[in-house]
Amino acid sequence: EDQVTQSPEALRLQEGESSSLNCSYTVSGLRGLFWYRQDPGKGPEFLFTLYSAGEEKEKERLKATLTKKESFLHITAPKPEDSATYLCAVQDGNKLVFGAGTILRVKS
Amino acid sequence: NAGVMQNPRHLVRRRGQEARLRCSPMKGHSHVYWYRQLPEEGLKFMVYLQKENIIDESGMPKERFSAEFPKEGPSILRIQQVVRGDSAAYFCASSPAQRTGNTIYFGEGSWLTVV
Repeated sequence: EDQVTQSPEALRLQEGESSSLNCSYTVSGLRGLFWYRQDPGKGPEFLFTLYSAGEEKEKERLKATLTKKESFLHITAPKPEDSATYLCAVQDGNKLVFGAGTILRVKS
Repeated sequence: NAGVMQNPRHLVRRRGQEARLRCSPMKGHSHVYWYRQLPEEGLKFMVYLQKENIIDESGMPKERFSAEFPKEGPSILRIQQVVRGDSAAYFCASSPAQRTGNTIYFGEGSWLTVV
């Protein structure tokens, strides 16, 4: 079965302190790697889909990149409102297989 | 996110009762998925449905759980004779079609508490 591992489990940043979240995966034939953001008590909010190694996508302070074995979610100059759990998932047939997530806290 | 509608948002049931969770997919979406998020655990796939058909239920517990997506009306996830271990957040998601890389959008979830 496909495996998705996210690191770190938790990350505390000061406002403006850039960093990266990691998602490593093992899958036979990647059909899509997804990043979601989840706030407490809410459902996952779609951020990005990446399909092939070398692909990059950006949205505001977030940039997602993909290699053959891992994906990074780069957060540039984060703000407190970026605090959330960030989830990575790969498509495996009819379902998404999720990692455990990275809990990000950004302090002002 | 707001397009996938789930209700109730919060549900409390006593052990042995039945829980029914409803999901209306985003407009134009014909594919529905149910996921479960247990406390301190990640999201786990339960079932994938199209109208009037269960396509993949490989993640559904073998007993007490069932799902349907009728021709008319919302998708229903039904849990019979609930136990404390069923306490979790249940998320519905939808997509326009089951194709490679199609984005799956999630609802806000239904939080089930079994007392």
